[in-house]
Amino acid sequence: GNSVTQMEGPVTLSEEAFLTINCTYTATGYPSLFWYVQYPGEGLQLLLKATKADDKGSNKGFEATYRKETTSFHLEKGSVQVSDSAVYFCALREAGSYQLTFGKGTKLSVIP
Amino acid sequence: GAGVSQTPSNKVTEKGKYVELRCDPISGHTALYWYRQSLGQGPEFLIYFQGTGAADDSGLPNDRFFAVRPEGSVSTLKIQRTERGDSAVYLCASSLLAGGRNEQFFGPGTRLTVL
Repeated sequence: GNSVTQMEGPVTLSEEAFLTINCTYTATGYPSLFWYVQYPGEGLQLLLKATKADDKGSNKGFEATYRKETTSFHLEKGSVQVSDSAVYFCALREAGSYQLTFGKGTKLSVIP
Repeated sequence: GAGVSQTPSNKVTEKGKYVELRCDPISGHTALYWYRQSLGQGPEFLIYFQGTGAADDSGLPNDRFFAVRPEGSVSTLKIQRTERGDSAVYLCASSLLAGGRNEQFFGPGTRLTVL
């Protein structure tokens, strides 16, 4: 079956630090890959996505590249802000499916 | 416009009781999904509706769980004879259409606590 593994949290960074949250996946086909973010007290929001190998998704300064050879989709941001403090979820969806399979989430805290 | 709304935001019940959780999708969205998020875990798929019918209920853990969407809009997740292990955040999402190109928009969830 499909699965998503992402790095354990919590992660605490100082403002303007570089962020990487690792995500690897197992899937039988060619999935689409997603990063969702959950800010405190809010619902899950789509942050970025990539639908095929070597695609780069980007939004709000965050980037992730679909790496089929390493089955990875690591989230990066060059300079985090306090407002980036949230829980980040990596997810996949198999082609032709509608179910999202999520990782366990990584809590990020950015301190001034 | 309004996003996905879920009521109640919190529900505390006793073991063995019956609960109903409500989801109001974004207006015009034909597809609706329920997920369950246990503490420290990512959301797990429960059931998916296309219109009024449950197109896939393979994620429902057992026959105590049931969901309906009688008019193709609001959905209710029903849990009978609740158990402590049912405690979780229940998330609802909707999308304009089903399928790969349609983003799922999530509600804030209902936190269910079974004592």
